[in-house]
Amino acid sequence: ELKVEQNPLFLSMQEGKNYTIYCNYSTTSDRLYWYRQDPGKSLESLFVLLSNGAVKQEGRLMASLDTKARLSTLHITAAVHDLSATYFCAVDIVRYGGSQGNLIFGKGTKLSVKP
Amino acid sequence: SQTIHQWPATLVQPVGSPLSLECTVEGTSNPNLYWYRQAAGRGLQLLFYSVGIGQISSEVPQNLSASRPQDRQFILSSKKLLLSDSGFYLCAWSKWNSPLHFGNGTRLTVT
Repeated sequence: ELKVEQNPLFLSMQEGKNYTIYCNYSTTSDRLYWYRQDPGKSLESLFVLLSNGAVKQEGRLMASLDTKARLSTLHITAAVHDLSATYFCAVDIVRYGGSQGNLIFGKGTKLSVKP
Repeated sequence: SQTIHQWPATLVQPVGSPLSLECTVEGTSNPNLYWYRQAAGRGLQLLFYSVGIGQISSEVPQNLSASRPQDRQFILSSKKLLLSDSGFYLCAWSKWNSPLHFGNGTRLTVT
């Protein structure tokens, strides 16, 4: 059974600081996604990582994937209040002979950025 | 561009009542369609998955069902709701190598 573990689950940061969220998964996969969810809202796609060594950056967020270590990281640089949200990683299980499979989500990391 | 519509946004239903949530996608054809549920304070759980009209895969045993009567329409149903069915229901679509694109969700409270 595929397990996806995120840590930390809760993160309180001060503005301007850097931090990293970790996502470990238990089986082979070369597709990993990061999503953001604001309170009471739906999920917004942040990054799609499709190969070992993939690195994507958008603003103050940078995501990377190490498929050999089964680890993805989401690095936050110089945090600002607007980044406060819950961040989910999700790993793809490819099934059905070539079509995209199902995503197994981590439990999410609730990030709070304080002035 | 592609859009996904999900309704209603909120729903309060008594135990034992039926349920029908609808989701439609515009701007793409033959998408994979999904129903996820997010219980309060928890992660997302995949409920149903569809690769085409009439093709439904159920991921967890439950008293919910799904149907795909048209290529871009996905419906989540129940004949009799349970208290444990309360949660935030999210419809999503995807195609090969693309991320899931989620609808705005339906917050269901079963009383």
